[in-house]
Amino acid sequence: DVKVTQSSRYLVKRTGEKVFLECVQDMDHENMFWYRQDPGLGLRLIYFSYDVKMKEKGDIPEGYSVSREKKERFSLILESASTNQTSMYLCASSTSGGPPYEQYFGPGTRLTVT
Amino acid sequence: RKEVEQDPGPFNVPEGATVAFNCTYSNSASQSFFWYRQDCRKEPKLLMSVYSSGNEDGRFTAQLNRASQYISLLIRDSKLSDSATYLCVVIGGGNYGGSQGNLIFGKGTKLSVKP
Repeated sequence: DVKVTQSSRYLVKRTGEKVFLECVQDMDHENMFWYRQDPGLGLRLIYFSYDVKMKEKGDIPEGYSVSREKKERFSLILESASTNQTSMYLCASSTSGGPPYEQYFGPGTRLTVT
Repeated sequence: RKEVEQDPGPFNVPEGATVAFNCTYSNSASQSFFWYRQDCRKEPKLLMSVYSSGNEDGRFTAQLNRASQYISLLIRDSKLSDSATYLCVVIGGGNYGGSQGNLIFGKGTKLSVKP
């Protein structure tokens, strides 16, 4: 069974704090993704990585950075948290090289920035 | 035009009803299509892939119409447990190409099945 885990289910941070969200997958997947999900806006891609130390910007990378030092781990960093980054953050992973392209999601981290 | 569009609903239907969702996509070069299901406060999970002319899995049927650039999901004999948000997902419709399996998600259609 594919498993994607995220470090926290709920997180409350103050404006200006540096925030780390960790994601780990156990299926040796090449691709990993970070999304945020907001009511009425759906899932939006922040960053993705298709290999260790590789990263690509998604639709909304501003205010975020990522790190992928090991294949199984993909971290999302909020350099200076702001209230508009209050959201549900979802990590996903998938294999590369062709179909089926299914992405497996972690349970999500609900981040509140006050 | 948005890349992947869905009717947000909610669709409120009685148990046993047949319900259909539609989704349109803007990039005619899109190659792969999916329906994901997301339960309240849970992560999205793959429900069905739609690769060619569509496919069926039990009570669920997905259809693809490339000429009109839409896909549909039909649920027959609805169960209470079908209540969820259904996300239409497309590959190859975004800015990143399809080679890395980047998915473009619709905003979802909410289904509520009532007793």
